[in-house]
Amino acid sequence: AQRVTQPEKLLSVFKGAPVELKCNYSYSGSPELFWYVQYSRQRLQLLLRHISRESIKGFTADLNKGETSFHLKKPFAQEEDSAMYYCALRKNGGSQGNLIFGKGTKLSVKP
Amino acid sequence: DTGVSQNPRHKITKRGQNVTFRCDPISEHNRLYWYRQTLGQGPEFLTYFQNEAQLEKSRLLSDRFSAERPKGSFSTLEIQRTEQGDSAMYLCASSLAGGLGYEQYFGPGTRLTVT
Repeated sequence: AQRVTQPEKLLSVFKGAPVELKCNYSYSGSPELFWYVQYSRQRLQLLLRHISRESIKGFTADLNKGETSFHLKKPFAQEEDSAMYYCALRKNGGSQGNLIFGKGTKLSVKP
Repeated sequence: DTGVSQNPRHKITKRGQNVTFRCDPISEHNRLYWYRQTLGQGPEFLTYFQNEAQLEKSRLLSDRFSAERPKGSFSTLEIQRTEQGDSAMYLCASSLAGGLGYEQYFGPGTRLTVT
């Protein structure tokens, strides 16, 4: 079965420190991977997707098919990065439609 | 267009009652999704539509749940004979179909509390 695992429920770092939110997945096919973020009192929104290989708000994530991982990284955390982060997988190149989410990691960036 | 909207934002109901939620997607989006999120969990897929056709349903969607999108625009999710285990945040999302990496845009959710 397809599954997304985010091993940390809470990650607390100081401002300016590097941050890495872990995401591992299980899927036998070729997945699409995403990171979604939910700031306090806001709706869930897309942060980045592996297909774009982009950097958004200083965050990057590389799909490692050998380790089945898609960890989210930022070299210098900011207080405004504090939020709930969800890793998500979509099957079969998008034809299936739905996303499979991990349980999320709450990032807290302290001043 | 202010994005995906959901109504009501909060619903408190007694066990055994029926409830209906509405989702209005972004106007040009032909795909519409429903997810459920309980405390400490990520969103879990329930069902999705492409235009008015319901293309996939999760096994989470029991017989008490029904979703419609009659004209391919807004959608409703009805829960009959609610149970306390139905208490959750119900999220709606919409997207354009197809292509790699397409984005789903989420609504603010409807929080259901079954007493």
